[in-house]
Amino acid sequence: EAGVVQSPRYKIIEKKQPVAFWCNPISGHNTLYWYLQNLGQGPELLIRYENEEAVDDSQLPKDRFSAERLKGVDSTLKIQPAELGDSAVYLCASSLDAGEAFFGQGTRLTVV
Amino acid sequence: AQSVTQLGSHVSVSEGALVLLRCNYSSSVPPYLFWYVQYPNQGLQLLLKYTSAATLVKGINGFEAEFKKSETSFHLTKPSAHMSDAAEYFCAVSALTGANNLFFGTGTRLTVIP
Repeated sequence: EAGVVQSPRYKIIEKKQPVAFWCNPISGHNTLYWYLQNLGQGPELLIRYENEEAVDDSQLPKDRFSAERLKGVDSTLKIQPAELGDSAVYLCASSLDAGEAFFGQGTRLTVV
Repeated sequence: AQSVTQLGSHVSVSEGALVLLRCNYSSSVPPYLFWYVQYPNQGLQLLLKYTSAATLVKGINGFEAEFKKSETSFHLTKPSAHMSDAAEYFCAVSALTGANNLFFGTGTRLTVIP
């Protein structure tokens, strides 16, 4: 069974440019999470979806970040415009209801 | 609110020695507690979890952790370290009921010395 798939694995962009990350969760998992992991830190939740509904987006900086989960499967996280401080690893995870969360390999973003 | 504190950002042990990674939690409700491992350039992999059943939890790769409510601790141990155990370890907490968002500690990097 395929795990959580994220793309791209690495992305380098100039500041003020837009960027998007894609996540394909494990088949059948209705809950999807986006986490931000800064260097030397633990992951921090950005947004959690139950099916296609964002049920917790309190930590998502809505002035520049947006996310969507169309049809309750794949999800996209977007930053526009990117800032130097957005350089980090963006992790996607999925779970079946409140079960174990499985993580993807992450997308490492570098903003120059 | 939930939070965890991991004592020691770096721990070094000799191969074959005891591994002890410390985690203390704070939670206003009964907690779920987790240990995850992260290898370089990889996502997080669940080692073990406490969900209010047995207080001594056994996980993968020979790791185990003991939930001690009186000490609000959930320390991770392994009797004998292997070179392959070198990685970053994260303790995490979530509410036992309701939303299951994970709150992670800052991580402990384990180095195993041959």
